[in-house]
Amino acid sequence: TQLLEQSPQFLSIQEGENLTVYCNSSSVFSSLQWYRQEPGEGPVLLVTVVTGGEVKKLKRLTFQFGDARKDSSLHITAAQPGDTGLYLCAGAPILQTGANNLFFGTGTRLTVIP
Amino acid sequence: EPEVTQTPSHQVTQMGQEVILRCVPISNHLYFYWYRQILGQKVEFLVSFYNNEISEKSEIFDDQFSVERPDGSNFTLKIRSTKLEDSAMYFCASSKARVHTGELFFGEGSRLTVL
Repeated sequence: TQLLEQSPQFLSIQEGENLTVYCNSSSVFSSLQWYRQEPGEGPVLLVTVVTGGEVKKLKRLTFQFGDARKDSSLHITAAQPGDTGLYLCAGAPILQTGANNLFFGTGTRLTVIP
Repeated sequence: EPEVTQTPSHQVTQMGQEVILRCVPISNHLYFYWYRQILGQKVEFLVSFYNNEISEKSEIFDDQFSVERPDGSNFTLKIRSTKLEDSAMYFCASSKARVHTGELFFGEGSRLTVL
């Protein structure tokens, strides 16, 4: 089992503030995916990063894959109450293993206070 | 927009009973998965299914669990004799391609409560 640790576990901020969520592992992944999960619903994919050092932007969200493909970060600029939710990172094993399953991180629960 | 649908949304069962959770993946997807999430814990992989057979399973997926794609559209997870610790939200997912580049689409989940 490949472990993905997310930090912080809980984050409560005021509307308009910036924040960064981290996803770290000692394992190398072929890709890293970020999901958002609302209560009582399944995870919904936000982005997939594949190349080491890759940066992807999705409106106010910026995702980065570490150079060594072991870690990733999610930065939100000017957070809004609608950003409230559980953010999950998930890593795909390297192709050579033949595996086809995602390892999910421990999650970061974000609350944005109006 | 196509979606993964799961039934039932919530099932309550007695310990030792058999449970079948049903999923209808997105129609042109080739890979199917079951994950579970115990309350307050992380999402855990159970099993992946491709070309009518299990392609991978985790340590959680022991002999009490089985999966089937009986009719080309439904994808089911059976728990033969439920235990208290099987209480969790079970998510079905499907994808066109393998997880490395393929987007997984998750259903809304089936909440299983074992008493």
